[in-house]
Amino acid sequence: EVQLVESGGGVVRPGGSLRLSCVASGFTFDDYGMSWVRQVPGKGPEWVSGINWNGGSTGFADSVKGRFTVSRDNAKNSLYLQMDSLRVEDTALYHCAREIPVAGIYYFDFWGQGTLVTVSS
Amino acid sequence: SYELIQPSSVSVSPGQTARITCSGDALTRQYVYWYQQKPGQAPVLVIYKDSERPSGIPERFSGSNSGTTVTLIISGVQAEDEAEYYCQSADSTGTYVVFGGGTKLTVL
Repeated sequence: EVQLVESGGGVVRPGGSLRLSCVASGFTFDDYGMSWVRQVPGKGPEWVSGINWNGGSTGFADSVKGRFTVSRDNAKNSLYLQMDSLRVEDTALYHCAREIPVAGIYYFDFWGQGTLVTVSS
Repeated sequence: SYELIQPSSVSVSPGQTARITCSGDALTRQYVYWYQQKPGQAPVLVIYKDSERPSGIPERFSGSNSGTTVTLIISGVQAEDEAEYYCQSADSTGTYVVFGGGTKLTVL
Protein backbone atom coordinates (compact mmCIF):
# COMPACT_ATOMS: atom_id res chain seq x y z
CA GLU A 1 0.00 0.00 0.00
CA VAL A 2 1.34 3.39 -1.03
CA GLN A 3 1.72 5.75 1.91
CA LEU A 4 2.95 9.32 2.03
CA VAL A 5 3.32 10.92 5.46
CA GLU A 6 4.16 14.59 5.82
CA SER A 7 5.56 16.38 8.87
CA GLY A 8 7.23 19.62 9.86
CA GLY A 9 4.36 22.05 9.68
CA GLY A 10 3.69 24.62 12.36
CA VAL A 11 3.18 28.26 13.15
CA VAL A 12 5.85 30.69 11.99
CA ARG A 13 6.13 34.46 11.75
CA PRO A 14 6.34 36.24 8.39
CA GLY A 15 9.92 36.10 7.15
CA GLY A 16 10.59 32.85 8.99
CA SER A 17 11.53 29.41 7.75
CA LEU A 18 10.20 25.87 7.94
CA ARG A 19 11.33 22.55 6.56
CA LEU A 20 8.69 20.03 5.58
CA SER A 21 9.36 16.32 5.20
CA CYS A 22 7.49 13.51 3.49
CA VAL A 23 8.29 9.85 4.07
CA ALA A 24 7.14 7.42 1.39
CA SER A 25 6.46 3.71 1.64
CA GLY A 26 4.81 0.95 -0.35
CA PHE A 27 6.56 1.67 -3.66
CA THR A 28 10.03 2.11 -5.13
CA PHE A 29 10.59 5.76 -4.24
CA ASP A 30 13.35 6.49 -6.74
CA ASP A 31 11.18 5.32 -9.64
CA TYR A 32 9.03 8.45 -9.33
CA GLY A 33 9.09 12.19 -9.44
CA MET A 34 7.42 13.86 -6.47
CA SER A 35 5.62 17.13 -5.89
CA TRP A 36 4.41 19.39 -3.14
CA VAL A 37 0.85 20.67 -3.55
CA ARG A 38 -0.82 23.07 -1.12
CA GLN A 39 -4.43 23.78 -0.25
CA VAL A 40 -6.02 26.78 1.37
CA PRO A 41 -9.39 25.87 2.94
CA GLY A 42 -12.18 26.63 0.49
CA LYS A 43 -9.86 26.88 -2.51
CA GLY A 44 -8.53 24.50 -5.11
CA PRO A 45 -5.12 22.92 -4.73
CA GLU A 46 -2.04 24.76 -5.95
CA TRP A 47 1.05 22.99 -7.26
CA VAL A 48 4.09 24.37 -5.41
CA SER A 49 7.15 22.40 -6.43
CA GLY A 50 8.32 19.19 -8.04
CA ILE A 51 11.48 17.12 -8.29
CA ASN A 52 12.44 14.31 -10.63
CA TRP A 53 13.49 10.85 -9.55
CA ASN A 54 17.14 11.63 -8.79
CA GLY A 55 16.85 15.28 -7.75
CA GLY A 56 18.52 16.46 -10.92
CA SER A 57 15.55 18.54 -12.07
CA THR A 58 13.29 20.73 -9.98
CA GLY A 59 10.46 23.16 -10.64
CA PHE A 60 8.63 25.80 -8.67
CA ALA A 61 5.47 27.82 -8.95
CA ASP A 62 6.10 31.51 -9.61
CA SER A 63 4.58 32.31 -6.20
CA VAL A 64 7.40 30.51 -4.35
CA LYS A 65 10.32 30.74 -6.77
CA GLY A 66 13.47 31.98 -5.03
CA ARG A 67 12.06 31.33 -1.55
CA PHE A 68 11.45 27.56 -1.52
CA THR A 69 13.82 24.72 -2.35
CA VAL A 70 12.97 21.06 -2.85
CA SER A 71 15.17 18.03 -2.34
CA ARG A 72 14.98 14.30 -1.78
CA ASP A 73 16.97 11.53 -0.14
CA ASN A 74 16.24 8.29 -1.95
CA ALA A 75 18.14 6.25 0.65
CA LYS A 76 15.62 7.48 3.22
CA ASN A 77 12.57 7.42 0.91
CA SER A 78 12.11 11.07 1.84
CA LEU A 79 11.09 14.31 0.16
CA TYR A 80 11.75 17.74 1.63
CA LEU A 81 10.57 21.31 1.14
CA GLN A 82 12.67 24.10 2.60
CA MET A 83 10.52 27.20 2.92
CA ASP A 84 12.27 30.52 3.57
CA SER A 85 11.03 34.12 3.66
CA LEU A 86 7.57 32.85 4.47
CA ARG A 87 4.57 35.10 3.81
CA VAL A 88 1.07 35.15 5.23
CA GLU A 89 -0.21 33.92 1.87
CA ASP A 90 1.87 30.73 2.22
CA THR A 91 -0.53 29.58 4.93
CA ALA A 92 -1.99 26.28 3.74
CA LEU A 93 -2.09 22.52 4.13
CA TYR A 94 0.94 21.11 2.30
CA HIS A 95 0.62 17.68 0.66
CA CYS A 96 3.29 15.62 -0.93
CA ALA A 97 2.11 13.71 -3.99
CA ARG A 98 3.50 11.10 -6.36
CA GLU A 99 3.81 12.30 -9.94
CA ILE A 100 2.80 10.44 -13.07
CA PRO A 101 4.13 12.15 -16.22
CA VAL A 102 1.87 12.44 -19.25
CA ALA A 103 2.74 14.47 -22.34
CA GLY A 104 5.08 16.80 -20.52
CA ILE A 105 3.02 17.51 -17.42
CA TYR A 106 2.02 15.53 -14.38
CA TYR A 107 -0.90 14.22 -12.52
CA PHE A 108 -0.83 12.84 -9.01
CA ASP A 109 -1.92 9.30 -8.31
CA PHE A 110 -1.28 9.28 -4.55
CA TRP A 111 -1.33 12.10 -2.01
CA GLY A 112 -0.43 12.39 1.64
CA GLN A 113 -2.82 13.82 4.23
CA GLY A 114 -0.78 16.99 4.51
CA THR A 115 0.94 19.10 7.14
CA LEU A 116 -0.42 22.50 8.12
CA VAL A 117 1.71 25.62 7.78
CA THR A 118 0.45 28.82 9.38
CA VAL A 119 2.29 32.08 8.80
CA SER A 120 1.11 34.71 11.20
CA SER A 121 2.47 37.55 13.28
CA SER B 1 -2.97 33.33 -15.40
CA TYR B 2 -4.80 30.30 -16.76
CA GLU B 3 -7.89 29.11 -14.87
CA LEU B 4 -10.10 26.05 -14.81
CA ILE B 5 -13.70 26.91 -13.99
CA GLN B 6 -15.93 24.58 -12.00
CA PRO B 7 -19.40 25.15 -10.54
CA SER B 8 -19.17 25.67 -6.79
CA SER B 9 -21.83 23.10 -6.01
CA VAL B 10 -23.92 20.31 -7.50
CA SER B 11 -26.76 18.48 -5.74
CA VAL B 12 -28.36 15.18 -6.69
CA SER B 13 -30.55 12.57 -5.07
CA PRO B 14 -29.24 9.05 -4.46
CA GLY B 15 -29.39 6.92 -7.59
CA GLN B 16 -29.39 9.89 -9.94
CA THR B 17 -26.56 10.96 -12.23
CA ALA B 18 -24.26 13.79 -11.18
CA ARG B 19 -22.41 15.83 -13.79
CA ILE B 20 -19.59 18.12 -12.73
CA THR B 21 -18.06 20.34 -15.39
CA CYS B 22 -14.61 21.85 -15.79
CA SER B 23 -14.01 24.54 -18.41
CA GLY B 24 -10.81 25.98 -19.83
CA ASP B 25 -9.54 27.21 -23.17
CA ALA B 26 -6.63 24.76 -23.23
CA LEU B 27 -8.73 21.66 -22.62
CA THR B 28 -8.80 20.91 -26.34
CA ARG B 29 -5.05 20.28 -26.10
CA GLN B 30 -4.53 19.00 -22.56
CA TYR B 31 -5.81 16.00 -20.63
CA VAL B 32 -7.97 16.46 -17.54
CA TYR B 33 -7.69 14.62 -14.25
CA TRP B 34 -10.30 14.45 -11.48
CA TYR B 35 -9.78 14.11 -7.73
CA GLN B 36 -12.27 13.39 -4.97
CA GLN B 37 -11.60 14.82 -1.52
CA LYS B 38 -13.62 14.10 1.59
CA PRO B 39 -13.26 16.24 4.72
CA GLY B 40 -10.01 15.63 6.56
CA GLN B 41 -8.73 13.24 3.89
CA ALA B 42 -6.17 13.37 1.13
CA PRO B 43 -7.39 13.82 -2.45
CA VAL B 44 -8.01 10.59 -4.36
CA LEU B 45 -7.57 10.29 -8.12
CA VAL B 46 -10.84 9.11 -9.69
CA ILE B 47 -10.30 9.83 -13.41
CA TYR B 48 -7.12 10.32 -15.42
CA LYS B 49 -6.51 11.27 -19.07
CA ASP B 50 -10.09 12.58 -19.46
CA SER B 51 -11.89 9.27 -19.07
CA GLU B 52 -9.64 6.53 -17.69
CA ARG B 53 -10.49 5.05 -14.31
CA PRO B 54 -7.75 3.96 -11.87
CA SER B 55 -7.98 0.52 -10.37
CA GLY B 56 -10.23 0.44 -7.36
CA ILE B 57 -12.44 3.32 -8.51
CA PRO B 58 -16.07 2.22 -8.99
CA GLU B 59 -17.40 1.95 -12.54
CA ARG B 60 -20.03 4.59 -11.81
CA PHE B 61 -17.27 7.21 -12.21
CA SER B 62 -16.60 8.24 -15.81
CA GLY B 63 -15.38 11.23 -17.75
CA SER B 64 -16.15 12.90 -21.07
CA ASN B 65 -14.51 15.64 -23.10
CA SER B 66 -16.38 18.12 -25.32
CA GLY B 67 -13.75 20.57 -26.47
CA THR B 68 -13.21 23.28 -23.88
CA THR B 69 -15.47 21.63 -21.31
CA VAL B 70 -14.91 18.27 -19.69
CA THR B 71 -17.36 16.49 -17.44
CA LEU B 72 -17.04 14.11 -14.52
CA ILE B 73 -20.06 11.82 -14.54
CA ILE B 74 -21.14 9.83 -11.52
CA SER B 75 -23.92 7.41 -12.39
CA GLY B 76 -26.14 6.02 -9.68
CA VAL B 77 -24.79 8.41 -7.06
CA GLN B 78 -24.38 6.98 -3.57
CA ALA B 79 -24.22 8.79 -0.24
CA GLU B 80 -20.50 7.97 0.01
CA ASP B 81 -19.85 10.04 -3.14
CA GLU B 82 -20.57 13.26 -1.26
CA ALA B 83 -17.27 15.13 -1.43
CA GLU B 84 -15.38 17.99 -3.04
CA TYR B 85 -14.24 17.28 -6.61
CA TYR B 86 -11.32 19.04 -8.30
CA CYS B 87 -10.26 18.98 -11.93
CA GLN B 88 -6.62 19.35 -12.92
CA SER B 89 -4.96 20.06 -16.23
CA ALA B 90 -2.18 22.24 -17.65
CA ASP B 91 -1.93 25.62 -19.31
CA SER B 92 -1.84 25.78 -23.10
CA THR B 93 1.94 25.51 -23.22
CA GLY B 94 1.92 22.42 -21.01
CA THR B 95 4.22 24.16 -18.57
CA TYR B 96 2.18 24.60 -15.43
CA VAL B 97 -0.14 22.27 -13.57
CA VAL B 98 -3.48 23.98 -12.89
CA PHE B 99 -6.35 22.96 -10.63
CA GLY B 100 -9.96 24.03 -10.69
CA GLY B 101 -11.56 25.69 -7.69
CA GLY B 102 -13.56 22.62 -6.74
CA THR B 103 -17.19 21.50 -6.79
CA LYS B 104 -19.01 20.40 -3.67
CA LEU B 105 -21.21 17.41 -4.51
CA THR B 106 -24.14 17.08 -2.13
CA VAL B 107 -26.20 13.90 -2.07
CA LEU B 108 -29.66 14.91 -0.95
